[in-house]
Amino acid sequence: GNSVTQMEGPVTLSEEAFLTINCTYTATGYPSLFWYVQYPGEGLQLLLKATKADDKGSNKGFEATYRKETTSFHLEKGSVQVSDSAVYFCALSVQGRDDKIIFGKGTRLHILP
Amino acid sequence: GAGVSQTPSNKVTEKGKYVELRCDPISGHTALYWYRQSLGQGPEFLIYFQGTGAADDSGLPNDRFFAVRPEGSVSTLKIQRTERGDSAVYLCASSLTETQYFGPGTRLLVL
Repeated sequence: GNSVTQMEGPVTLSEEAFLTINCTYTATGYPSLFWYVQYPGEGLQLLLKATKADDKGSNKGFEATYRKETTSFHLEKGSVQVSDSAVYFCALSVQGRDDKIIFGKGTRLHILP
Repeated sequence: GAGVSQTPSNKVTEKGKYVELRCDPISGHTALYWYRQSLGQGPEFLIYFQGTGAADDSGLPNDRFFAVRPEGSVSTLKIQRTERGDSAVYLCASSLTETQYFGPGTRLLVL
């Protein structure tokens, strides 16, 4: 079946550090891949997405590249800020009868000033 | 704004009671999804509507859960004979193309 595995948190970094949150997936067909973010007290928001192999999604300084050969979609940011503290979810959907999203368990990120 | 709205934002009920959770999607969005997020977990798919019909209800955990979307817009998720294990945040999302837009969720607590 389709599934997403992401690194467990919490992840704690100092401001301006480099961030990587690992994500791998298992899917039948050709999935679209997503990173969603949930800031404290707010709803789930789409951060970035990639719809085919070798695509790079980017937004707010975050990037992730769709790697079909390693079935990965790792999230990276060169210099994190305190305001990036949130829970990050890797997710996929497979086009077909529906586009239901399958989420990973989430990684909580704490950025220290 | 014109985002997805959900009511109530919080619901506390007693074991065995019936609850209804409402979702107002973004105007014009034909697809509507319900997800459930338990503490410390990612959201899990429950049911998907395309228009008025439930195109995929494979995520509903059992027959105590039911959802409707009679006019192809507002949807109601109904839970009968609630159990403590039903406590979670229930999320609704809508879409026109691929991107799903999520509401703020309804936090359900079953005592």
